[in-house]
Amino acid sequence: DIVMTQSPDSLAVSLGERATINCKSSQSVLSRSNDKNYLAWYQQKPGQPPNLLIYWASTRESGVPDRFSGGGSGTDFTLTISSLQAEDVAVYYCQQYYNTPVTFGQGTKLEIK
Amino acid sequence: EVQLVESGGGLVQPGGSLRLSCAASGFTFSSYWMGWVRQAPGKGLEWVANMNQDGSEKYYVDSVKGRFTISRDNAKNSLYLQMNSLRAEDTAVYYCARANYVFDIWGQGTLVTVSS
Repeated sequence: DIVMTQSPDSLAVSLGERATINCKSSQSVLSRSNDKNYLAWYQQKPGQPPNLLIYWASTRESGVPDRFSGGGSGTDFTLTISSLQAEDVAVYYCQQYYNTPVTFGQGTKLEIK
Repeated sequence: EVQLVESGGGLVQPGGSLRLSCAASGFTFSSYWMGWVRQAPGKGLEWVANMNQDGSEKYYVDSVKGRFTISRDNAKNSLYLQMNSLRAEDTAVYYCARANYVFDIWGQGTLVTVSS
């Protein structure tokens, strides 16, 4: 199974500042056949189901604000929030869908400093 | 409106059974893979099972193989999860999700509590 490890476990950032969350996979999730990274990011607010933010490592889901961006390739990925808003307080998860079982990172809790 | 609504959760004793249902609306259900993802209280997300459009392909996380069965009824736009031989560690909120490579649509979840 591919193990997904996020860092940090928790993060406190001031409003308007940049927040960066890291995700590392235990093996590459880059497909050589289509040059796509099988990596997604989700946001989960308290009491709500997860919400898809980013797929193919860097493609924003429809309706997701452009302050959210994803980057990286192979085994190392980042989710960046360029200017933190109060509504971005949540737990963020990365997920690989390169093979079965699909696996998630342990989550990163993002708070306001 | 695209929507998934789960039902069937509740309190069950260890060793017992429960059947979860998920009603889909607002999209062509029969065209998509579907899956179940669970979240134990205060914990992270764990994929449980996926199945393809016609039910010919089914995949499970190792911890539920032989105990859980995923199924669907495309005529009723519904997804199911039959859970047998339940254990305390199966206690979680179970989410139904559209598996369009990624999980792009999620239900609100249904809580399953396994306890005596």
